[in-house]
Amino acid sequence: DGGITQSPKYLFRKEGQNVTLSCEQNLNHDAMYWYRQDPGQGLRLIYYSQIVNDFQKGDIAEGYSVSREKKESFPLTVTSAQKNPTAFYLCASSIRRGSEKLFFGSGTQLSVL
Amino acid sequence: AQSVTQPDIHITVSEGASLELRCNYSYGATPYLFWYVQSPGQGLQLLLKYFSGDTLVQGIKGFEAEFKRSQSSFNLRKPSVHWSDAAEYFCAVAAVSDSNYQLIWGAGTKLIIKP
Repeated sequence: DGGITQSPKYLFRKEGQNVTLSCEQNLNHDAMYWYRQDPGQGLRLIYYSQIVNDFQKGDIAEGYSVSREKKESFPLTVTSAQKNPTAFYLCASSIRRGSEKLFFGSGTQLSVL
Repeated sequence: AQSVTQPDIHITVSEGASLELRCNYSYGATPYLFWYVQSPGQGLQLLLKYFSGDTLVQGIKGFEAEFKRSQSSFNLRKPSVHWSDAAEYFCAVAAVSDSNYQLIWGAGTKLIIKP
């Protein structure tokens, strides 16, 4: 079955540590996205990528980094510069940027030890 | 600035009762509107969307939504809820300008089903 796989489902970060969240899709979609979800708030866009080897900052990119070396993969690194990383992180993809339908992964809950 | 407001943080409905979840948006042009559903600990799934045409749109799982331009609203409805509908529901509007496309999300409404 086609879809988006995020791993791990739960992740813990120590102070000063960088952690990387994985996102893989086999839908052959060009566009991929990372969102952050906090309780009582809508989704906020961290980064997006319209095509391989290209990515753009979203609304809250500070303290995060991404890469898009392969079409299928869009990993997100939460760096030590992100002072409030505890959140639920959602990866999504769409056929292209501006396509009306987003497909979401099942998310990664990141917590700080 | 574009925005989406979901006035109700929580809504509790008895199983079998009707449901209406409210969504108001602020956007200058004709909006593209969406409703997504999120089960606990999961990603979001598209329920329905409005781009143009008939203002009453049908979605999956028996949901429908009506676009009312005069009220800047896109409320989600279901005639009879099932316990499996318990989830969080998000309204979103796509702001499109030139080559820029941005999805703006509401804060969500958590639906609780009473047996």
